[in-house]
Amino acid sequence: DVKVTQSSRYLVKRTGEKVFLECVQDMDHENMFWYRQDPGLGLRLIYFSYDVKMKEKGDIPEGYSVSREKKERFSLILESASTNQTSMYLCASSFRLSTDTQYFGPGTRLTVL
Amino acid sequence: DAKTTQPPSMDCAEGRAANLPCNHSTISGNEYVYWYRQIHSQGPQYIIHGLKNNETNEMASLIITEDRKSSTLILPHATLRDTAVYYCIEANSNSGYALNFGKGTSLLVTP
Repeated sequence: DVKVTQSSRYLVKRTGEKVFLECVQDMDHENMFWYRQDPGLGLRLIYFSYDVKMKEKGDIPEGYSVSREKKERFSLILESASTNQTSMYLCASSFRLSTDTQYFGPGTRLTVL
Repeated sequence: DAKTTQPPSMDCAEGRAANLPCNHSTISGNEYVYWYRQIHSQGPQYIIHGLKNNETNEMASLIITEDRKSSTLILPHATLRDTAVYYCIEANSNSGYALNFGKGTSLLVTP
């Protein structure tokens, strides 16, 4: 079975802090994604990566950056956390771009005070 | 915005079949219908997908109408653990970067 793990289930940070969210997948998937989920807004794509060191902006990249130094790991970085970044963050991976089945991690609920 | 339409909520008695409908009247010929679900406080989970033919796996069955404008996800014997939000999504290789989950159907399975 595909396993996607995220570094924390719950995280509390203060405004202005730099925040790192880590995601690891163990199935040698090419593609990895970061979403955020907010009530009434559904899942929104922040960034995705289709290869090591490659990244593409999603729908809402502002205030975020990403890093993919190794195939299995995709990090989301909040350079200076703000209260409007309080959300559930979900990481996903998929095998090929032609395969749309995405496998999700359990999510990280981030609260920025 | 999501291109599919689903009822916001449904109830189902435990042990009965849960039939979740989805309208996708603008689906194009190369777009698949995917179903995911999200149990409270967990990440979304893939259930099943199909193009034209009906599909079945260990979790569910997917019935797609001949004109492909609608589909039904069937959980044959719903359990309390099937209580979740169910999302119907159109996707193809061109949309593989992101899945537009929309608002889904909140299914409540009752004892």
